[in-house]
Amino acid sequence: QQQVKQSPQSLIVQKGGISIINCAYENTAFDYFPWYQQFPGKGPALLIAIRPDVSEKKEGRFTISFNKSAKQFSLHIMDSQPGDSATYFCAAAKAAGNKLTFGGGTRVLVKP
Amino acid sequence: EAQVTQNPRYLITVTGKKLTVTCSQNMNHEYMSWYRQDPGLGLRQIYYSMNVEVTDKGDVPEGYKVSRKEKRNFPLILESPSPNQTSLYFCASSLPGSVNQYFGPGTRLLVL
Repeated sequence: QQQVKQSPQSLIVQKGGISIINCAYENTAFDYFPWYQQFPGKGPALLIAIRPDVSEKKEGRFTISFNKSAKQFSLHIMDSQPGDSATYFCAAAKAAGNKLTFGGGTRVLVKP
Repeated sequence: EAQVTQNPRYLITVTGKKLTVTCSQNMNHEYMSWYRQDPGLGLRQIYYSMNVEVTDKGDVPEGYKVSRKEKRNFPLILESPSPNQTSLYFCASSLPGSVNQYFGPGTRLLVL
């Protein structure tokens, strides 16, 4: 039983479009929500993260939206570029510890 | 360069033949962890270590062993590999209390 559910499993978007990935969690003890980006043949790397005391965080073309009452959060990639083609993982953690619980991943393909 | 290294990167073995995947980090991180990545399941934690000689089970520890005799190294041991351990394995490290984990490049294991 996955504690963090991620959708869709894959998505294709045209260059310049918006990619949206959604995640939902069950455990209300989670209070830190990072997103990791993984390129083929590489390990995941931290992309952006949010804490539940804010509803949105933006870093460049990447934005996390957070809905605490619904226990959902999402990643928006604005003006998607072919270089954004990667697998994206949402995760959740209790900020005081190191354990990350990951979603199932979304493979994003940005077509030129 | 700050990094996590894993060896080997690719490994094909047969059922029951003991193997070790090495992991080393040069960032002086106390926390180290092993994950396996399977399609649709994301990354699941196998074992983790908070410091030298301190290890504990993650979510999927069955069939695996670890040791942490030195701060920089955290090998993953499969005493008797089985085909259901065919997977992509990642080692990660971080500072204590940080959820920003640095991942190695991965080890792809095939157990026949």
